[in-house]
Amino acid sequence: SQQGEEDPQALSIQEGENATMNCSYKTSINNLQWYRQNSGRGLVHLILIRSNEREKHSGRLRVTLDTSKKSSSLLITASRAADTASYFCATDEETGANNLFFGTGTRLTVIP
Amino acid sequence: DARVTQTPRHKVTEMGQEVTMRCQPILGHNTVFWYRQTMMQGLELLAYFRNRAPLDDSGMPKDRFSAEMPDATLATLKIQPSEPRDSAVYFCASGSEYSPLHFGNGTRLTVT
Repeated sequence: SQQGEEDPQALSIQEGENATMNCSYKTSINNLQWYRQNSGRGLVHLILIRSNEREKHSGRLRVTLDTSKKSSSLLITASRAADTASYFCATDEETGANNLFFGTGTRLTVIP
Repeated sequence: DARVTQTPRHKVTEMGQEVTMRCQPILGHNTVFWYRQTMMQGLELLAYFRNRAPLDDSGMPKDRFSAEMPDATLATLKIQPSEPRDSAVYFCASGSEYSPLHFGNGTRLTVT
């Protein structure tokens, strides 16, 4: 089974700056999802991008997908201290099993 | 606001004891996942149910772990006997073809 890999592992920025996190994966996918995890809590779904989509927006979030490079990026614009969390990409493989495989996560710290 | 409920939130037990973790998925969701999260391994898929039928438990050590869904409102994950290396946070998540995964807040298990 494949697992996505996020890059960087940790990111520290000032409030108001943009944060970019990247995800690479190995096999063909149906869709790619981004989740957020606050310390001590479960993961919360942020956004889903299908394999035939290249870019998607949701509020301050912008996700891109390049299936030829098997990579995705999550951009958070105008970051806030409340955005401090770990961010994970998850891939739904093209096997029909509908399992979600999670990456190792990027720990984002937004300094007020 | 519908949510996945996991109990207990914390569990400390001695090596060799049986541990049972419970999950109440969101009403109407037909898929249930169990994940284990550790610093070293990240999020690992342990088991996956669709319409209460186990579809994939290949990530689960079969000799000591078992996962069941006695009914649509309850999923259980049992470890017998527990070992220190089982110490982790165990997450349950539910979803459907119309909904991304919703995670519970996890059970933090410590085996001494």
